[in-house]
Amino acid sequence: EPEVTQTPSHQVTQMGQEVILRCVPISNHLYFYWYRQILGQKVEFLVSFYNNEISEKSEIFDDQFSVERPDGSNFTLKIRSTKLEDSAMYFCASTRPGPLGEQFFGPGTRLTVL
Amino acid sequence: AQSVAQPEDQVNVAEGNPLTVKCTYSVSGNPYLFWYVQYPNRGLQFLLKYITGDNLVKGSYGFEAEFNKSQTSFHLKKPSALVSDSALYFCASSGLSSNTGKLIFGQGTTLQVKP
Repeated sequence: EPEVTQTPSHQVTQMGQEVILRCVPISNHLYFYWYRQILGQKVEFLVSFYNNEISEKSEIFDDQFSVERPDGSNFTLKIRSTKLEDSAMYFCASTRPGPLGEQFFGPGTRLTVL
Repeated sequence: AQSVAQPEDQVNVAEGNPLTVKCTYSVSGNPYLFWYVQYPNRGLQFLLKYITGDNLVKGSYGFEAEFNKSQTSFHLKKPSALVSDSALYFCASSGLSSNTGKLIFGQGTTLQVKP
């Protein structure tokens, strides 16, 4: 069964460094998402992406964050200058044609900012 | 603002007994509601959804959920719990304040099924 994959599984970085989190969504999916889950807290929406542009973003998704789908398969989340409070589990998700279907989630990338 | 609440941080149940994990929502109009399960070191897995139609929705692994509009609830149920059902369960909604599929999650409920 096809699944969403994410790399790396764990990223440790120094405060102020740039990180890129990578995701490979399911191949025939058209809507893509990033969520994050700070330890002990709820899963929070960051951004949705469709037709090669951001369709919606949350207040969390400020100028330090960006997303792109550079080659039609990978979907990346970049944090330009990481802060301690960016430490969280980051989940990528995708959904079949039509944004209101069930989303398929990747296993997540645990980002630790020191 | 659209929100989802799961009033219990943890639910404990004995294997073989019925289980209920509670979810309430606060939205205007008719919500789209979902249940996801998260096992340790894994991503969220879809269990079931309510969009429209029959208020009782059946999903994966024998789970079901009942949409109750008057009580604004969407409780997850299973007639007979298994130890392997032990996991973190999330209720979520989408579709109201945006048409992008953005999911709004509850805070999660840990289900512990004891042998």
